[in-house]
Amino acid sequence: GENVEQHPSTLSVQEGDSAVIKCTYSDSASNYFPWYKQELGKRPQLIIDIRSNVGEKKDQRIAVTLNKTAKHFSLHITETQPEDSAVYFCAASITGTYKYIFGTGTRLKVLA
Amino acid sequence: NAGVMQNPRHLVRRRGQEARLRCSPMKGHSHVYWYRQLPEEGLKFMVYLQKENIIDESGMPKERFSAEFPKEGPSILRIQQVVRGDSAAYFCASSPGQGNQETQYFGPGTRLLVL
Repeated sequence: GENVEQHPSTLSVQEGDSAVIKCTYSDSASNYFPWYKQELGKRPQLIIDIRSNVGEKKDQRIAVTLNKTAKHFSLHITETQPEDSAVYFCAASITGTYKYIFGTGTRLKVLA
Repeated sequence: NAGVMQNPRHLVRRRGQEARLRCSPMKGHSHVYWYRQLPEEGLKFMVYLQKENIIDESGMPKERFSAEFPKEGPSILRIQQVVRGDSAAYFCASSPGQGNQETQYFGPGTRLLVL
């Protein structure tokens, strides 16, 4: 079955710096890759997603890149702010299925 | 437009009791998913349901766990004879049900503590 690995598990950056979180997936049939942000004790919230027919997508300070050949995708956050501090999860969904396979999460801490 | 609703938000049970977790999807959504999140871990898929049908229960333990999504009312995740290892946050998500690879919107979760 599909397996998603996520790195790093923790990441500390200075306010204003960029943060990059990387995920790899195992099943080449995966074609949808959402990213969720989860603050402590709260629900996961979708922040950006990408489909396999696209290589890059950007939404203000957040961008996601996808390399289908290498089977990895990355989240990029620029000009980080303290409110970006949270746990970020990547996920992959295989064509023809509906379930998400999540990575293990990255705890991002933005230092003021 | 109300989001995905879950109740209760917190549930305490003693070993051997039953836990019932409820999920009301977003208005207009017909697909429901349940995920379990252990402390400091990611979300693990449990089950995917449409109205009156279980579509994929590959992530759900074979014993003690069951799920339903009746024609009327919320989806229910039921855990019988709970054990301490069942302590976790259980999240429900929903999607419109109009195609593959839809965005799933999550509820606030039910935090189950088994004493």
